[in-house]
Amino acid sequence: NAGVTQTPKFRVLKTGQSMTLLCAQDMNHEYMYWYRQDPGMGLRLIHYSVGEGTTAKGEVPDGYNVSRLKKQNFLLGLESAAPSQTSVYFCASKGAGGPREQFFGPGTRLTVL
Amino acid sequence: SQQGEEDPQALSIQEGENATMNCSYKTSINNLQWYRQNSGRGLVHLILIRSNEREKHSGRLRVTLDTSKKSSSLLITASRAADTASYFCATDQIGSGSRLTFGEGTQLTVNP
Repeated sequence: NAGVTQTPKFRVLKTGQSMTLLCAQDMNHEYMYWYRQDPGMGLRLIHYSVGEGTTAKGEVPDGYNVSRLKKQNFLLGLESAAPSQTSVYFCASKGAGGPREQFFGPGTRLTVL
Repeated sequence: SQQGEEDPQALSIQEGENATMNCSYKTSINNLQWYRQNSGRGLVHLILIRSNEREKHSGRLRVTLDTSKKSSSLLITASRAADTASYFCATDQIGSGSRLTFGEGTQLTVNP
């Protein structure tokens, strides 16, 4: 099993450009999450999904959109990138039923110039 | 704002010593989890302690939870250079809908 994978690993954008980050998991997990991590800080939740076809806002959702058309994939979109969105983005997934840990992807390092 | 706050922010010890990291939080929780992050990598789950548990062990890790003080500690015994990483606590708050709130982390350096 690959676990949680993220593409791309690195990306440089210019202000105003758009892009989509892809997260895929092969563990049949119900829950999926997108976080951002800024230097010296913990993770902040952007958006999450409790199942296929569902999405919900997290702590810092502004400037981002998400879609969960397939259970195994969770897409994070930036419609008009801003320098404040320069960060490392992590995807995670979690199975349903009871207290469980989240499984994280390796991250996408995004720089917006 | 972050629910969990780790203390200290940074810790440097010698190999073989024990490392203790603390986490405080503000609201009632279902469980508290500790994660580890090596430089440039994703987070890896270490241990989960439920709100009705007071202590849990996993290998060289010992976690305690004091819900009356809203605090937890992570003890790594007999540390190794390979334990060098950032350690984060994360709380599953009651009513959060399976979301975790992460603290800012403790950067642990174990010197060989």
